[in-house]
Amino acid sequence: EAGVTQSPTHLIKTRGQQATLRCSPISGHTSVYWYQQALGLGLQFLLWYDEGEERNRGNFPPRFSGRQFPNYSSELNVNALELEDSALYLCASSDRTRGSYNEQFFGPGTRLTVL
Amino acid sequence: RKEVEQDPGPFNVPEGATVAFNCTYSNSASQSFFWYRQDCRKEPKLLMSVYSSGNEDGRFTAQLNRASQYISLLIRDSKLSDSATYLCVVISGNTGKLIFGQGTTLQVKP
Repeated sequence: EAGVTQSPTHLIKTRGQQATLRCSPISGHTSVYWYQQALGLGLQFLLWYDEGEERNRGNFPPRFSGRQFPNYSSELNVNALELEDSALYLCASSDRTRGSYNEQFFGPGTRLTVL
Repeated sequence: RKEVEQDPGPFNVPEGATVAFNCTYSNSASQSFFWYRQDCRKEPKLLMSVYSSGNEDGRFTAQLNRASQYISLLIRDSKLSDSATYLCVVISGNTGKLIFGQGTTLQVKP
């Protein structure tokens, strides 16, 4: 079974630009989650999408946004990039139809560097 | 106070040793508990879910104490390949949000 996939692996942008990160969940999983892991910091929850709708949002400014498509894949957009947005962005998916629906499985991440 | 607290370590142990990690959480409404493992510059991988009755998977045993709000992970017969950062993770209610501890680093030496 294929795992969560993310693209691109690495992304280099300059301040003020926009970044788009993509995620494909495990087949059959309907929920997608986004996390940020900045250097030396723990993982911070960004967004949760389920069945195409935003279900929860972490403490991040509105320039972090995203969406989920009908095939359950997801996109994270970061507008007006700032230097401190440089981080590893991790996507996870879960199967909410099972009893252990909260188990989340992570993709390899997109490493975003803002210069 | 952090929502999930772990001793960052590092824990340096010889091969074959038994090592235990503890984790405390502050929100008594927390409902789901996990241990993840993260290797350097890699994504976290689910190690095991933690149930009130405790659970075991090979050399790994996880325990949950709701009254004291702590979770433990015991690794028996440590292998070199167990060297990694172990993350204690909690979910409160139906938020979908995993709350991570800062991780405990384990180094298993030959």
